[in-house]
Amino acid sequence: EVQLVESGGGLVKPGGSLRLSCAASGFTFSDAFMGWVRQAPGKGLEWVGRIKSKNGGGTTDSAAPVKGRLTISRDDSKNTLFLQLDSLKTDDTGVYFCTWERPVGSFDFWGQGAMVTVSS
Amino acid sequence: EIVLTQSPGTLSLSPGERATLSCRASQSVSSSYLAWYQQKPGQAPRRLIYGASSRATGIPDRFSGSGSGTDFTLTISRLEPEDFAVYYCQQFGGSFTFGPGTRVDIK
Repeated sequence: EVQLVESGGGLVKPGGSLRLSCAASGFTFSDAFMGWVRQAPGKGLEWVGRIKSKNGGGTTDSAAPVKGRLTISRDDSKNTLFLQLDSLKTDDTGVYFCTWERPVGSFDFWGQGAMVTVSS
Repeated sequence: EIVLTQSPGTLSLSPGERATLSCRASQSVSSSYLAWYQQKPGQAPRRLIYGASSRATGIPDRFSGSGSGTDFTLTISRLEPEDFAVYYCQQFGGSFTFGPGTRVDIK
């Protein structure tokens, strides 16, 4: 059974940083394109960024609102995906979902989400 | 960036009725990269359709997707009680964008 389990959410001050983890199981993580989608309270879905598999180039892409502040990385030995977002703004508040992109271009599996609140 | 517009914003229907949801793109989208998701309150989204018309694993055949270019449609042939939710379309054209969603609620 595929599982994506996010951790690391919570309350963070504006200007601070957040780091989320996503533990994956039930599939070959090293072959997977992985990413993050977020949802502000009561709002729609917003793509945040993705990282390709090492065989796929291992490169990262990020959405305009987080470009320059976002680092996505992966540890294939531990089947874990990471998100680090710096210089946090109140607009970064929301639920962050870990995703498995399969096939390329859409999100087959989603984690349950990690809530992040940016507030002073 | 490709902008997706969904209509209507809210669709009020009764169980057993047919639902037709529209997704329009600001420029042409490859059919390979158009997907639909269902989201219920407090839950993660669930993919229904990918490649514009391919049903995801385990999705009932009352859900179908169609369209090409800039106009795509999700159809639910006969609404079941568990289908009342918010539906999002999503495209990938180098970058990912989602539509604002259509809420399907009980009339």
